[in-house]
Amino acid sequence: LAKTTQPISMDSYEGQEVNITCSHNNIATNDYITWYQQFPSQGPRFIIQGYKTKVTNEVASLFIPADRKSSTLSLPRVSLSDTAVYYCLVGGSGGYQKVTFGTGTKLQVIP
Amino acid sequence: GAGVSQSPSNKVTEKGKDVELRCDPISGHTALYWYRQSLGQGLEFLIYFQGNSAPDKSGLPSDRFSAERTGGSVSTLTIQRTQQEDSAVYLCASSLAGTGVSSGGWGTEAFFGQGTRLTVV
Repeated sequence: LAKTTQPISMDSYEGQEVNITCSHNNIATNDYITWYQQFPSQGPRFIIQGYKTKVTNEVASLFIPADRKSSTLSLPRVSLSDTAVYYCLVGGSGGYQKVTFGTGTKLQVIP
Repeated sequence: GAGVSQSPSNKVTEKGKDVELRCDPISGHTALYWYRQSLGQGLEFLIYFQGNSAPDKSGLPSDRFSAERTGGSVSTLTIQRTQQEDSAVYLCASSLAGTGVSSGGWGTEAFFGQGTRLTVV
């Protein structure tokens, strides 16, 4: 099972771009990289998913280098409402049941 | 329904009692997952259902934990003889498919419910 490593916490001022990097050195060929966001007292919410290169949606961008051993979630111009825990997951044919959500990165946005 | 629904939202029970937690997945989602999240921790996988296949119970922490999924829809997680260490938030998630990139498995988003906060006193 691919294990992920990400910073425990990060602080950022409002309006700044935030980049959270996740390491997954033993990612498998079929594995996708997925990021979830969790607010207190809520279940995680899907943000973005990618396999290689760059993916962008209305919420974030995901940068994946050619070797796929890491990925970076980029949140443009964060606001206070982006304060949450962000989880990086990798998984493939095993599906979500083979994935454990780690402790994630707690992002604190400061006014 | 609009999303994954879990009930109750909060449950306080005495040590040694049995509890049942319910999950209503999104209609049409064949995959259903249960996770447990202790305070300040990540999510711990418990059990997974995919269609009519035998469930993956590899994450259940002990034989006091069991789960059913009736008619491929509603699921019930049962904890027998609850212990204080069972106190946590129990999260349910569903997705269109659970396995296989080719079948849209991992590439599919999982939708989570709000969870059931279980407190064993």
